[in-house]
Amino acid sequence: AQSVSQHNHHVILSEAASLELGCNYSYGGTVNLFWYVQYPGQHLQLLLKYFSGDPLVKGIKGFEAEFIKSKFSFNLRKPSVQWSDTAEYFCAVNSYNNNDMRFGAGTRLTVKP
Amino acid sequence: DAGVIQSPRHEVTEMGQEVTLRCKPISGHNSLFWYRQTMMRGLELLIYFNNNVPIDDSGMPEDRFSAKMPNASFSTLKIQPSEPRDSAVYFCASSQTSLPLHFGNGTRLTVT
Repeated sequence: AQSVSQHNHHVILSEAASLELGCNYSYGGTVNLFWYVQYPGQHLQLLLKYFSGDPLVKGIKGFEAEFIKSKFSFNLRKPSVQWSDTAEYFCAVNSYNNNDMRFGAGTRLTVKP
Repeated sequence: DAGVIQSPRHEVTEMGQEVTLRCKPISGHNSLFWYRQTMMRGLELLIYFNNNVPIDDSGMPEDRFSAKMPNASFSTLKIQPSEPRDSAVYFCASSQTSLPLHFGNGTRLTVT
């Protein structure tokens, strides 16, 4: 069964610092990859997605992620974080042929003003 | 588009009681998912349906949990009897095949 690993449980940064959150998955077939964000007290929202094509995907709010197939990775990045980026971030994977969407454990990001 | 609608938003119940969580997916979506979120275990997939048919329920923790989708516009997740360790936020999500999930606001369940 596919699984998703997020390496960082809690990341604390100061405003304007650069961000990279790791995500690795284990699945041998073609996959779709996603990052979701959950702001405090809210539901999950899609941040960005990768289906095919350019492995560097740009999402909302200045976030981007790079799909590296050889490393089974889909790391999330942002050059300069803001206090409002404080949230929990979830990486998710589903196989191309079905809808079995699996999530990582999540990474809590705290941005200090 | 009203999005995925879950009810109730909050549920507080006593151990041993039956709990029913409800979900209305986005119209036209053919897949529906139930997730449970806790601090300890993160976001866990409990069960998902394609075209109203349960496809994978391996994430359902125990026989006390059951889910149904009688039609394309409604699903329930039932816990009977409930236990304190069932306390969590339960999310429903829907999608069209292979497209991103749309999540509801969740139901925060507290079992005392």
